[in-house]
Amino acid sequence: TQLLEQSPQFLSIQEGENLTVYCNSSSVFSSLQWYRQEPGEGPVLLVTVVTGGEVKKLKRLTFQFGDARKDSSLHITAAQPGDTGLYLCAGSQGAQKLVFGQGTRLTINP
Amino acid sequence: EADIYQTPRYLVIGTGKKITLECSQTMGHDKMYWYQQDPGMELHLIHYSYGVNSTEKGDLSSESTVSRIRTEHFPLTLESARPSHTSQYLCASSVAVNYGYTFGSGTRLTVV
Repeated sequence: TQLLEQSPQFLSIQEGENLTVYCNSSSVFSSLQWYRQEPGEGPVLLVTVVTGGEVKKLKRLTFQFGDARKDSSLHITAAQPGDTGLYLCAGSQGAQKLVFGQGTRLTINP
Repeated sequence: EADIYQTPRYLVIGTGKKITLECSQTMGHDKMYWYQQDPGMELHLIHYSYGVNSTEKGDLSSESTVSRIRTEHFPLTLESARPSHTSQYLCASSVAVNYGYTFGSGTRLTVV
């Protein structure tokens, strides 16, 4: 059983379109993070959200933490080929390690 | 500039060989982690450490072992490599999980 469920698992869209990736759980997290991983590299931290209802923006990327701190979303506006990669959400429950979702593989076609 | 280093980046070895994957970080982080990942797939935690002389097995059963003799160094050893060990191995460190992980670039291991 996956503690953090990401959807969709695969997404292929055209350059310029908007998209949203979801990360859902039945458990409460003290914080939630999003990472992006490019082929052949390790994941890179994009953002951490810690407060229920929190919204953070990183250029064309908007991250939201659910009010109940059980879910999060990543919205990309006007997607570009450089946004292609594996997007991973990860949650902290106050323990010593993160719980990772299974990832969303995003492809932006020129 | 990377603060966490993994060597080698790529390794092709024969079945039965003993190998050690190196991971070093310069950030003074107490927490370090090893993950196994097939290309484009999810991460599987195989080992972690809370500090010097502390090591724990992760969620994925692994035939590898780790040691943590120094804060900055967290090597992973396979005593006898098999083709089923072919994968990418990622090392990460953290000062506190709420601050996130810093990952290395990974070691791509192929056992033939």
